[in-house]
Amino acid sequence: SQQGEEDPQALSIQEGENATMNCSYKTSINNLQWYRQNSGRGLVHLILIRSNEREKHSGRLRVTLDTSKKSSSLLITASRAADTASYFCATDLYAGFQKLVFGTGTRLLVSP
Amino acid sequence: ETGVTQTPRHLVMGMTNKKSLKCEQHLGHNAMYWYKQSAKKPLELMFVYNFKEQTENNSVPSRFSPECPNSSHLFLHLHTLQPEDSALYLCASSQEGSHNQPQHFGDGTRLSIL
Repeated sequence: SQQGEEDPQALSIQEGENATMNCSYKTSINNLQWYRQNSGRGLVHLILIRSNEREKHSGRLRVTLDTSKKSSSLLITASRAADTASYFCATDLYAGFQKLVFGTGTRLLVSP
Repeated sequence: ETGVTQTPRHLVMGMTNKKSLKCEQHLGHNAMYWYKQSAKKPLELMFVYNFKEQTENNSVPSRFSPECPNSSHLFLHLHTLQPEDSALYLCASSQEGSHNQPQHFGDGTRLSIL
């Protein structure tokens, strides 16, 4: 299996509910990043958490990192239909240059 | 507007054609990347350029040939492609030399090989 694996693969919720996505990885990392991708578009960076950080917030986003379990979670609170997208975690292995390894993503559908 | 522009957005080509994908970043970054995104597979890193020098070639077949003439432009030259090369090709840039920086992506070129 690959470095980053998201769980669940797909998530369907109603507007106003919270959405939680998880990411597991295998090797030591410099940081872990979450990205969002709308259909037919490129990836947009959401939040970066460094290996020595445990939790980070940005607006309605909350990210946690547990390096002992090699896992991270992304929580989107009070979801909106506009949050419908695919969400990817990426681990920065930093091999003398920034080297991001992406998971397969979680497809989030938020219904009005 | 992400600051990274990719052209064309869509490309259909035969297996014997030669074409090029273009990426331009307006963010003043010094590192640029090519990724391949296929259905139901993780994003695959293809090439990395730092300060115009190639620092990573992730075992990419020679039918893909990158070119980085300056730190703002990146090309991917294509020739004799195979049907399995059909995918979304994404370009990204970042500021190297500083750890813990995000990458900025373009909207990609959707490539279809006939």
